[in-house]
Amino acid sequence: AQSVTQLDSQVPVFEEAPVELRCNYSSSVSVYLFWYVQYPNQGLQLLLKYLSGSTLVKGINGFEAEFNKSQTSFHLRKPSVHISDTAEYFCAAPFNAGKSTFGDGTTLTVKP
Amino acid sequence: DSGVTQTPKHLITATGQRVTLRCSPRSGDLSVYWYQQSLDQGLQFLIQYYNGEERAKGNILERFSAQQFPDLHSELNLSSLELGDSALYFCASSPTAEPAYEQYFGPGTRLTVT
Repeated sequence: AQSVTQLDSQVPVFEEAPVELRCNYSSSVSVYLFWYVQYPNQGLQLLLKYLSGSTLVKGINGFEAEFNKSQTSFHLRKPSVHISDTAEYFCAAPFNAGKSTFGDGTTLTVKP
Repeated sequence: DSGVTQTPKHLITATGQRVTLRCSPRSGDLSVYWYQQSLDQGLQFLIQYYNGEERAKGNILERFSAQQFPDLHSELNLSSLELGDSALYFCASSPTAEPAYEQYFGPGTRLTVT
């Protein structure tokens, strides 16, 4: 079955520390992969996406992600987080005809 | 502001009732998606419409139905409501039905069934 797995439900981190949010996907075909962020009481917004080409993708707010085909992973990273990065992060994979599959989400809490 | 609007913002209703949630996509977007977000189920894809036609179906219950009108706005109808239907319902839109395009999410409608 095609699926997206976010390996951590909660990630607490101190301000200015680096962070990695992990996402694995399963698919036998080429996939597009997305990371979305949901701030409290808001809808989701796109952080970055991988369609093809360079495996390192840069997004908004200093986030980046690396597509690793051999490990079927698409981990999200930021070298130094801010309090304002506290939010829920979703890895998503629209496998076909927009039938998006979202991971269960990772709650990132940045502490002062 | 994503450009996607959803009404109402909040809805409180009783079990057994029927409600309609409305979504207006971004200007020019032809594809509309509906999602349900709850604490126990996470973010679940319900259904997608493209230019008025149903394009893909996810975990949508038979009690739920949707449609997209000629002006491209969409409505999600939920009937015979149960307590477990309490959730945040999101609408998203994208320019086409192609999966490479990002989806722009509305602010959601919070449904509480009592």
